[in-house]
Amino acid sequence: AQKITQTQPGMFVQEKEAVTLDCTYDTSDQSYGLFWYKQPSSGEMIFLIYQGSYDEQNATEGRYSLNFQKARKSANLVISASQLGDSAMYFCAMREDDSGGGADGLTFGKGTHLIIQP
Amino acid sequence: NAGVMQNPRHLVRRRGQEARLRCSPMKGHSHVYWYRQLPEEGLKFMVYLQKENIIDESGMPKERFSAEFPKEGPSILRIQQVVRGDSAAYFCASSPTGGGGYTFGSGTRLTVV
Repeated sequence: AQKITQTQPGMFVQEKEAVTLDCTYDTSDQSYGLFWYKQPSSGEMIFLIYQGSYDEQNATEGRYSLNFQKARKSANLVISASQLGDSAMYFCAMREDDSGGGADGLTFGKGTHLIIQP
Repeated sequence: NAGVMQNPRHLVRRRGQEARLRCSPMKGHSHVYWYRQLPEEGLKFMVYLQKENIIDESGMPKERFSAEFPKEGPSILRIQQVVRGDSAAYFCASSPTGGGGYTFGSGTRLTVV
């Protein structure tokens, strides 16, 4: 079974609209962390936002917010007021047994290719 | 305050040659992770190292691939006798001792011809 599922291979969105990128995850651990990364066409991996499984509030970082629904095992990324520069691949990732030790590698989804249209 | 440095950025090898990919973690980071990204795919975990120790190599192919993180110098991912299927982007990430977030390098794009 897939540990991270991103159901939207590609999305087209009008500039200035809000965007929601879907991510569902599968784990039996109580402690885990969820990450979103942006990969522009230049190829680097840019960290966007992190949510710990015990965090009660949804994470926010500027225009990015994470809609964390623990019971549904869902961690959707919301980008408000989209910009042309937001066009990129977006990856959801999970670290299981998120005890803060930085010990475990990340499991990534297949990504969503977001294209912002003017 | 340099980030994670990977070199070379692009590497072309003929089938059967060896590929050596280098990763210098961020200053103060002692955990290094290697990932492979095939075209149109997400990143796949390969190996996790600390200085002079391999902690988890569950994602490494059993043959031809090896990794090290010596006491001095960068972490090295070595691929012997490369084949066309090894063509991919290889990313290194580091994190500080005791936790914290991952910082990724810009990756090495390996092309096997």
